[in-house]
Amino acid sequence: KAGVTQTPRYLIKTRGQQVTLSCSPISGHRSVSWYQQTPGQGLQFLFEYFSETQRNKGNFPGRFSGRQFSNSRSEMNVSTLELGDSALYLCASSLVSRAVGNEQYFGPGTRLTVT
Amino acid sequence: QKEVEQNSGPLSVPEGAIASLNCTYSDRVSQSFFWYRQYSGKSPELIMSIYSNGDKEDGRFTAQLNKASQYVSLLIRDSQPSDSATYLCAVTGNQFYFGTGTSLTVIP
Repeated sequence: KAGVTQTPRYLIKTRGQQVTLSCSPISGHRSVSWYQQTPGQGLQFLFEYFSETQRNKGNFPGRFSGRQFSNSRSEMNVSTLELGDSALYLCASSLVSRAVGNEQYFGPGTRLTVT
Repeated sequence: QKEVEQNSGPLSVPEGAIASLNCTYSDRVSQSFFWYRQYSGKSPELIMSIYSNGDKEDGRFTAQLNKASQYVSLLIRDSQPSDSATYLCAVTGNQFYFGTGTSLTVIP
């Protein structure tokens, strides 16, 4: 079974621009979560989508948004990029949401650099 | 107070020794507990999950859970240089809460 895929793998953007990242979960998984990982802050939860609905949202500004499609693929968008948005963005999929046994499996990540 | 606390290390053990990684969590209603391994420049990889009190063994890895003490640990027996990585503890409530990770170095 194919794993979680993320595109693009690397991205360089300029301050003020916007960016869209894509995630395709493991086949059959309906929950997709997004995380930001930086050396200083570790893994920070952005949001979770389940069956096209946002189930939970972390403490990030409104510049960070996401959505999920009917095939469970998800996108996240960051508008008006800031230097501090440079990070590894990770997508994780799980079969279900908020249930015992909801193991999350991570994709390879998108490395975003903002200059 | 953070939801999940881990000793950031670094933890160094000689090859063949037992590495012990510890994690405490604050939410008493947490139900699922996970250990992830992350190599430098890579994404986290799930290595163990545990849901009930006690020990769970998988090869060289043993996860231990004590809900009364809100404590979960990971033991790596016969540590190998390839085990050198950062180990992340994760706990579920309404969402996944990750610790900041413990860096483990296994010295040949």
